[in-house]
Amino acid sequence: DIQMTQSPSSLSASVGDRVTITCRASQSISSYLNWYQQKPGKAPKLLIYAASSLQSGVPSRFSGSGSGTDFTLTISSLQPEDFATYYCQQSYSTPIFTFGPGTKVDIK
Amino acid sequence: QVQLQESGPGLVKPSQTLSLTCTVSGGSISSGSYYWSWIRQPAGKGLEWIGRIYTSGSTNYNPSLKSRVTISVDTSKNQFSLKLSSVTAADTAVYYCAREPMVRGVTYFDYWGQGTLVTVSS
Repeated sequence: DIQMTQSPSSLSASVGDRVTITCRASQSISSYLNWYQQKPGKAPKLLIYAASSLQSGVPSRFSGSGSGTDFTLTISSLQPEDFATYYCQQSYSTPIFTFGPGTKVDIK
Repeated sequence: QVQLQESGPGLVKPSQTLSLTCTVSGGSISSGSYYWSWIRQPAGKGLEWIGRIYTSGSTNYNPSLKSRVTISVDTSKNQFSLKLSSVTAADTAVYYCAREPMVRGVTYFDYWGQGTLVTVSS
C-alpha cells in the first residue's frame, strides 16, 4: 500500500503570508497527486490535480509542484478564506486511493 | 452544474447494515467517463476512500473494507448506493459521495456531496 504523509500537521500564518505544505509518498507516484481544501463542516474541494494542474475556478495563488515522492502545495499570499485543512491524495495506485493525514492552516 | 446529495439513516445499530444513496443531478450518471465513489471521514480525522462504481456496474473496493462493502448503481434513478455490513462504532463517520472523472489516465474527485453523518450506536 502507498502511504502518504504531510508536513507540517498544522501551521499558523497571517494574511498575506506565503504558505508551503509538503506531501510525501512512500513510493514513487509519478505526478498522480491531488490536493484538496476542506473547511469545517464542508466537503473537500479539489484545488490541484496531477501535481500541478489548477482546477477550474481555483484562484491562481494556489500552486502545486513535485513528482516522484515529494510534492508541495503553495499558497502565494494567504487570504482569510484560505484558513482550512489541506489534504493530498494519490491516484497512482488506482483503483486504490489514499489521502494524506491533512495539514490545518489557522490564523496566527 | 453537477450536484451530488447523500441520503439515508443517520443512526445504525451495531452489527446491522449501513445503507446510503447518492443522487446525482445536473447531469446523467451514465454520461461521460466517470466513476462514482464513496469516501468517509470520522470526526476530527482524515479521509478514507471506500470504493467506487462505473455505470457498467464494475466496482472497486478498499481492501480494508472489501468484505463488508457493496456499491451499486441505478441509472434509471441517477443514483448510486453504498451498503456496509456488520457495522461497529468505528464506522461512525461523515460519508461523502464523489465523482471521479477519467481524463487521459489522470483521476481525482471533482464534485462531492455535502456529506451525511452516520452514527453507529445502540
